[in-house]
Amino acid sequence: RKEVEQDPGPFNVPEGATVAFNCTYSNSASQSFFWYRQDCRKEPKLLMSVYSSGNEDGRFTAQLNRASQYISLLIRDSKLSDSATYLCVVNKAAGNKLTFGGGTRVLVKP
Amino acid sequence: DAGVTQSPTHLIKTRGQQVTLRCSPKSGHDTVSWYQQALGQGPQFIFQYYEEEERQRGNFPDRFSGHQFPNYSSELNVNALLLGDSALYLCASSFLPGTTPLDTQYFGPGTRLTVL
Repeated sequence: RKEVEQDPGPFNVPEGATVAFNCTYSNSASQSFFWYRQDCRKEPKLLMSVYSSGNEDGRFTAQLNRASQYISLLIRDSKLSDSATYLCVVNKAAGNKLTFGGGTRVLVKP
Repeated sequence: DAGVTQSPTHLIKTRGQQVTLRCSPKSGHDTVSWYQQALGQGPQFIFQYYEEEERQRGNFPDRFSGHQFPNYSSELNVNALLLGDSALYLCASSFLPGTTPLDTQYFGPGTRLTVL
């Protein structure tokens, strides 16, 4: 079983719609959680950190469920520019080794 | 404020050869981590350097080695290249883990290695 698992998609989303997807992690000792965005053939870029109480950044909302060990990302009012692969990232307790999921591909279409 | 830089951007090698990839961290950062990203997969952690020493290592063979210089820049060396080493190699820089609230890492643009 992979440490961080994501639905690879693609999620085909009409422009203006809402899309949500999850990732699950296996290490209950994980401390920090992030969503990174990666455009085709580019480097991952930090989209947002995920806090225990949930947090919002504009059209993006992240939630953390420690009991069930999953993280979610919701995108409202999708834009064409939101088309990308979204990587779920977990930071283990004992240092800064980031563990990535395989990514969820999102395609926003007109 | 310069971000993370990597060189070269692309590289083509043949099986059995050796390769060296370079990374300069974001200004102010002292910790460098290297990741391998195969096509269609998420990045996989190779190792991390701080104070010129390897602090953590992922599940990669000894063919993968690294170095960090006094100016915090870093090199990744891969010996005896295999076809399966073809990937995007990403460098990420940060402050020493545990010294900032979120341990955020910033990635460079990567080096795309093709092994023929």
